[in-house]
Amino acid sequence: ELKVEQNPLFLSMQEGKNYTIYCNYSTTSDRLYWYRQDPGKSLESLFVLLSNGAVKQEGRLMASLDTKARLSTLHITAAVHDLSATYFCAVDIQKAGNNRKLIWGLGTSLAVNP
Amino acid sequence: KAGVTQTPRYLIKTRGQQVTLSCSPISGHRSVSWYQQTPGQGLQFLFEYFSETQRNKGNFPGRFSGRQFSNSRSEMNVSTLELGDSALYLCASSWTPPSISYSPLHFGNGTRLTVT
Repeated sequence: ELKVEQNPLFLSMQEGKNYTIYCNYSTTSDRLYWYRQDPGKSLESLFVLLSNGAVKQEGRLMASLDTKARLSTLHITAAVHDLSATYFCAVDIQKAGNNRKLIWGLGTSLAVNP
Repeated sequence: KAGVTQTPRYLIKTRGQQVTLSCSPISGHRSVSWYQQTPGQGLQFLFEYFSETQRNKGNFPGRFSGRQFSNSRSEMNVSTLELGDSALYLCASSWTPPSISYSPLHFGNGTRLTVT
């Protein structure tokens, strides 16, 4: 069964601290996406990681992909309250017949406290 | 540029009824995907449409159906509603179907369906 596991599912951290969210997946993939969802709002694309070793950074967030380990990380540096949201990873799987499919993690709910 | 628009935002229905949700994609986007979001299951893929054709379908019962019109607008229908259908239903549009190639998904704000 295809699985995408995020951990932790809930994270409460203090402003100014660093932390990493992990996204493990159970099958071969060379594409992975990170999205952010604010409470009561829709999902917004953060990063697209398209190859092994890909690293993308935007402000205090940095995402990386290790396709051999089937692992992506989302690193938060010096967290601020505005980063409080739920973060989802989605793994792009190639199925038979050349079709692709996105498998989503359950999301990591992040609360950054003063 | 207008984003993805979903209507209605909220719906309350009773078991056994049916419901139709609507999604207007970003102008120029021809692909629309639908997802069901629940706290326990996360985002579950429902359908993907491109140029009025269903390209991909998730593992949902036949009570869930959808369609796409020539203007790329899409609707999904759920018949014989069950309590477990209560969820946030999200629509996302993109230039190309995710099943073919990479294209960022632009999500609407969703329709919150409550079945009582």
